[in-house]
Amino acid sequence: AQKITQTQPGMFVQEKEAVTLDCTYDTSDQSYGLFWYKQPSSGEMIFLIYQGSYDEQNATEGRYSLNFQKARKSANLVISASQLGDSAMYFCAMRVNSGNTPLVFGKGTRLSVIA
Amino acid sequence: DSGVTQTPKHLITATGQRVTLRCSPRSGDLSVYWYQQSLDQGLQFLIHYYNGEERAKGNILERFSAQQFPDLHSELNLSSLELGDSALYFCASSGGQEVGEKLFFGSGTQLSVL
Repeated sequence: AQKITQTQPGMFVQEKEAVTLDCTYDTSDQSYGLFWYKQPSSGEMIFLIYQGSYDEQNATEGRYSLNFQKARKSANLVISASQLGDSAMYFCAMRVNSGNTPLVFGKGTRLSVIA
Repeated sequence: DSGVTQTPKHLITATGQRVTLRCSPRSGDLSVYWYQQSLDQGLQFLIHYYNGEERAKGNILERFSAQQFPDLHSELNLSSLELGDSALYFCASSGGQEVGEKLFFGSGTQLSVL
């Protein structure tokens, strides 16, 4: 079974600084996808970025990039130039390509951006 | 706006009651997923439907059931409610079942069982 671990319950970052949110995963499957979602205080889940296990390049989406280290089974989210609006819960998630498997989420990291 | 519509947004009910949560997926999406989010358990997968058929079950209690209708909307039925069922219930949809298919989430139904 797949498992996602986010070891940072909470993080603080100064506005305009970069921040890295950690995510490690565990699976015996070779084909899998890694996702990051943002949940602001309003509650909705917003997709940020995706990385496939066979993708050779690290994924980037605007100010978001995914630092994918396959051998270490880590998929850290890097947010550059933090903004106050980045304050939210961030969830790492994974789906393996074995049958009808769902997206499995980590416990999340609460990011607070300080002015 | 994700395009996924969930109703109602808030629901307050008493223990022992039954409620129905409704989800309309994004136009064209065949997959519907239900998740439960609570402070102690995090985001837990409940059930997945694809084009009307159940495809996967997670930690869904026997008191809970779901279905996906021919028009692709889905309903999650929660019965004999307990205090511990209080949570935020999300519906999400996707176009297919590929590993890279991202899920689009509705805004959730906040259920409070008193």
